[in-house]
Amino acid sequence: AQSVTQPDIHITVSEGASLELRCNYSYGATPYLFWYVQSPGQGLQLLLKYFSGDTLVQGIKGFEAEFKRSQSSFNLRKPSVHWSDAAEYFCAVGSGGGADGLTFGKGTHLIIQP
Amino acid sequence: DAGVIQSPRHEVTEMGQEVTLRCKPISGHDYLFWYRQTMMRGLELLIYFNNNVPIDDSGMPEDRFSAKMPNASFSTLKIQPSEPRDSAVYFCASSLGGDNSPLHFGNGTRLTVT
Repeated sequence: AQSVTQPDIHITVSEGASLELRCNYSYGATPYLFWYVQSPGQGLQLLLKYFSGDTLVQGIKGFEAEFKRSQSSFNLRKPSVHWSDAAEYFCAVGSGGGADGLTFGKGTHLIIQP
Repeated sequence: DAGVIQSPRHEVTEMGQEVTLRCKPISGHDYLFWYRQTMMRGLELLIYFNNNVPIDDSGMPEDRFSAKMPNASFSTLKIQPSEPRDSAVYFCASSLGGDNSPLHFGNGTRLTVT
């Protein structure tokens, strides 16, 4: 069965500092990987996705993620965070792009310090 | 594009009552998903449909939960009778289903059962 682990429940980062959110997955075949962001009271918004090809993928809002098959990881990064980045971030894995349900991690709550 | 529309945004009901949550997917999307989000369990896939047909309902917690999709533009998730442990945020999502088609989420329905 597929699974996703986000080891950090909370992360606090100073505004302007760099950010890395960790994600490890368990999946038997080549995974489809996603990062979503959820602001309070809102649904989930897609930040970026990896299906194949270049292992470094760029997303919206200045985020990027790198797929490392050898480490079963898909960590999310941003070089300089803004106060508006404070939110809950979810990593997800699936077997098809949008043709089956995704398995989500428990999420990482990002806090931005001024 | 109006996005995925869910109603109501908030629902408070007493234990034992019937609850119906509603979802309108993005026009043209062939796949519709119902997720439940709780602090303890995170995001769980309950059921998903393809072309209005339920494909996988293995995530539905018990017989008190039922979901229907009578047409391509409408789906319901019903809980009867409701229990306090059903309190959660319920999300609907839709997708085109292709490799390059991620899930698009609604803003969710926050259900409180007292």
